[in-house]
Amino acid sequence: DGGITQSPKYLFRKEGQNVTLSCEQNLNHDAMYWYRQDPGQGLRLIYYSQIVNDFQKGDIAEGYSVSREKKESFPLTVTSAQKNPTAFYLCASNPWEGNTEAFFGQGTRLTVV
Amino acid sequence: GNSVTQMEGPVTLSEEAFLTINCTYTATGYPSLFWYVQYPGEGLQLLLKATKADDKGSNKGFEATYRKETTSFHLEKGSVQVSDSAVYFCALSDLGGYNKLIFGAGTRLAVHP
Repeated sequence: DGGITQSPKYLFRKEGQNVTLSCEQNLNHDAMYWYRQDPGQGLRLIYYSQIVNDFQKGDIAEGYSVSREKKESFPLTVTSAQKNPTAFYLCASNPWEGNTEAFFGQGTRLTVV
Repeated sequence: GNSVTQMEGPVTLSEEAFLTINCTYTATGYPSLFWYVQYPGEGLQLLLKATKADDKGSNKGFEATYRKETTSFHLEKGSVQVSDSAVYFCALSDLGGYNKLIFGAGTRLAVHP
């Protein structure tokens, strides 16, 4: 079945550590996105990528980094520079053919301990 | 810039009641409009969409009509069930920005037997 897989589902990070969240899709979509969701709030865009080896900052990119070495993969690294990383992280993709919906993974819940 | 405004929740209803969740938007051009649903601890699932003015999206008893004159996309359901309890997000596609989605803050719906 086609879809988006995020791993791990739960992740715990110590203060000062970098952690990487995985996102893989087998939908052959060009565009991929990372969103952050805080309790009771909407989704805020962190980074997005249209094609391999290209990505753009979203609204809250500070303290995060990404790579897009393969079409299928768009990992997100939460660095120690991110002051408040505890949140629910959602990865999404779409075909980027204009006016199309995005498909979402099941999310990764990151907690700083 | 483009934005989406949803009515604040939580919305609490009894089973079989009528549901309306208001959504208005600000956008240039003619974006597509979407409603997504999120169940606890999960990612977002597309509920319905509309791609042009006067289109009506529908799915699982939910409906929403793309109203350009009022820049609205209100979600309705004639008779809610306990299983409809979730968070609902209104979103639009940002045509000038890699087709990324811009989300409202979300509205939590709680349906009681």
